[in-house]
Amino acid sequence: AQTVTQSQPEMSVQEAETVTLSCTYDTSESDYYLFWYKQPPSRQMILVIRQEAYKQQNATENRFSVNFQKAAKSFSLKISDSQLGDAAMYFCAYHSGGGADGLTFGKGTHLIIQP
Amino acid sequence: DSGVTQTPKHLITATGQRVTLRCSPRSGDLSVYWYQQSLDQGLQFLIHYYNGEERAKGNILERFSAQQFPDLHSELNLSSLELGDSALYFCASSVEGQAGRNEQFFGPGTRLTVL
Repeated sequence: AQTVTQSQPEMSVQEAETVTLSCTYDTSESDYYLFWYKQPPSRQMILVIRQEAYKQQNATENRFSVNFQKAAKSFSLKISDSQLGDAAMYFCAYHSGGGADGLTFGKGTHLIIQP
Repeated sequence: DSGVTQTPKHLITATGQRVTLRCSPRSGDLSVYWYQQSLDQGLQFLIHYYNGEERAKGNILERFSAQQFPDLHSELNLSSLELGDSALYFCASSVEGQAGRNEQFFGPGTRLTVL
């Protein structure tokens, strides 16, 4: 079974600074997808960014970018110019390319933004 | 607003009871996924339905069951409830049946408290 590990239970960053959240995963498959989800205090799950394993180029969405290291099975999220609204739980998730299963999530990282 | 609705928002019940959680997917989405988020287990995939048929099971207990109706809404039935079933239950919908290739849109969740 695939596993997703987020080793940082909590991270803190000053507003306007850059922070990187770590994620590693374990899989024997070659076709898969990786995601970062944000869960603010409202509890709504919001997709932040998505990476397809067969694409070498790292995904970017505005201030959010990933560092996808396929060989190392690492998928970190970088948030640039951190804003107060970025404060949330961030979950890394994995999905097998052809499977019907749902997403496999990590335990999450609680991101605190210091004003 | 993701377009996915879940009712009720909150549910308080007693051990041994049975409850039904309801999910309406986004218009046009054929897949519904159910997830459980608890302090102990984190976010776990429970079950996936596609166009009325069960497609995959995750860590779903035998006391739990689900179905998807012809109008594509889905219900998650939880019976013989235990204290440990207290959690936030999410449903998510997507256009097709592959969670990786198609973005999942999460509903706001149902908070279940078992006393």
